[in-house]
Amino acid sequence: GQNIDQPTEMTATEGAIVQINCTYQTSGFNGLFWYQQHAGEAPTFLSYNVLDGLEEKGRFSSFLSRSKGYSYLLLKELQMKDSASYLCAAFYNQGGKLIFGQGTELSVKP
Amino acid sequence: DTEVTQTPKHLVMGMTNKKSLKCEQHMGHRAMYWYKQKAKKPPELMFVYSYEKLSINESVPSRFSPECPNSSLLNLHLHALQPEDSALYLCASSQGAGVNTEAFFGQGTRLTVV
Repeated sequence: GQNIDQPTEMTATEGAIVQINCTYQTSGFNGLFWYQQHAGEAPTFLSYNVLDGLEEKGRFSSFLSRSKGYSYLLLKELQMKDSASYLCAAFYNQGGKLIFGQGTELSVKP
Repeated sequence: DTEVTQTPKHLVMGMTNKKSLKCEQHMGHRAMYWYKQKAKKPPELMFVYSYEKLSINESVPSRFSPECPNSSLLNLHLHALQPEDSALYLCASSQGAGVNTEAFFGQGTRLTVV
């Protein structure tokens, strides 16, 4: 299988920084996505990493280490609207499987 | 146009009914996916179509039958479903299966089986 692990839930304060970690199995790995999903809505794309290093997009950054099977999503200057589930998803070569982790439920408090 | 359109948005069906979910994209993507998502759970992969051919079936029961009539359309035919099949069904597309590119998701069909 392609076990993808991330914390179930996290809480942070408005204006703060939060890091959501994700580990995955490296065999056949092709790329790592982060999606945001609000309750009752479809996932929306946040970031994509295929090479090692940090990708920055405004308040959101994502990091990948292929050798360690590790990624994180960094959210800066947290806003209340950032309260959502954050899904780590890994793309595997075998036929093009995009497999999701369990999601991290982030609660941003005032 | 970076949109994946799913219809209907909501569907209530009885256990003896036959219905179909539809998904459409006009981005020229050659890979299309069906996912099932239960409340507070991540999307679970059901099927992958690559170049209009079924490439992955994640051991989905035969009461779910996918169909890809052309490169823009993906259907999911439903027959004799069970109440536990009630979920959000998400369609996604990407440039190609196994190609490093974003997968775009539709808004989903919320299915209730009564």
